[in-house]
Amino acid sequence: DVKVTQSSRYLVKRTGEKVFLECVQDMDHENMFWYRQDPGLGLRLIYFSYDVKMKEKGDIPEGYSVSREKKERFSLILESASTNQTSMYLCASSKKNRVANYGYTFGSGTRLTVV
Amino acid sequence: AQKVTQAQTEISVVEKEDVTLDCVYETRDTTYYLFWYKQPPSGELVFLIRRNSFDEQNEISGRYSWNFQKSTSSFNFTITASQVVDSAVYFCALSEARAAGNKLTFGGGTRVLVKP
Repeated sequence: DVKVTQSSRYLVKRTGEKVFLECVQDMDHENMFWYRQDPGLGLRLIYFSYDVKMKEKGDIPEGYSVSREKKERFSLILESASTNQTSMYLCASSKKNRVANYGYTFGSGTRLTVV
Repeated sequence: AQKVTQAQTEISVVEKEDVTLDCVYETRDTTYYLFWYKQPPSGELVFLIRRNSFDEQNEISGRYSWNFQKSTSSFNFTITASQVVDSAVYFCALSEARAAGNKLTFGGGTRVLVKP
């Protein structure tokens, strides 16, 4: 069964901490994405990567950075966590396809609380 | 810029009632893809359907059906004879063909609560 695995389901961190959210996929997908989900706002794209060591800003990159050293792993980094980053974080991946778009496979999400 | 609007934030129905979720999108691209995903309480988004902009045929899959109308930029989703297991948040999403990385833009989601 193909999978996108997020390392933590629930996380509680203190304001100012550096936080790492990890995502691993086993489908050999080129594209990987980080979204945050907030009530009423849907899913908003933070960063995405279409290849190893490549990254692109999404719609709300401020306060975040990413790392993709290996094809299967995409990390989201909160350099100095703040309470307004309390949210559900969803990782997704997809196969690169220049002809069509078949959508994403999602992980189960990490609910981060910053206190 | 692409945009997806789901005007209904929450819908509550009694089991066996039909429920329709609205989705309106904006795009300047002539080639694009539309999706619906379901997010049950477990949290993981589950793919339901994909439709490309050149295929306006409506689709039925069991109790689920989708109505795609380019003239009104809408891609609505109907659950017939709803069941408690249909309780979830449903997201509509859009991807323009030229979007880097095949990225999706999501609507705000509609929470469906089906009461027994």
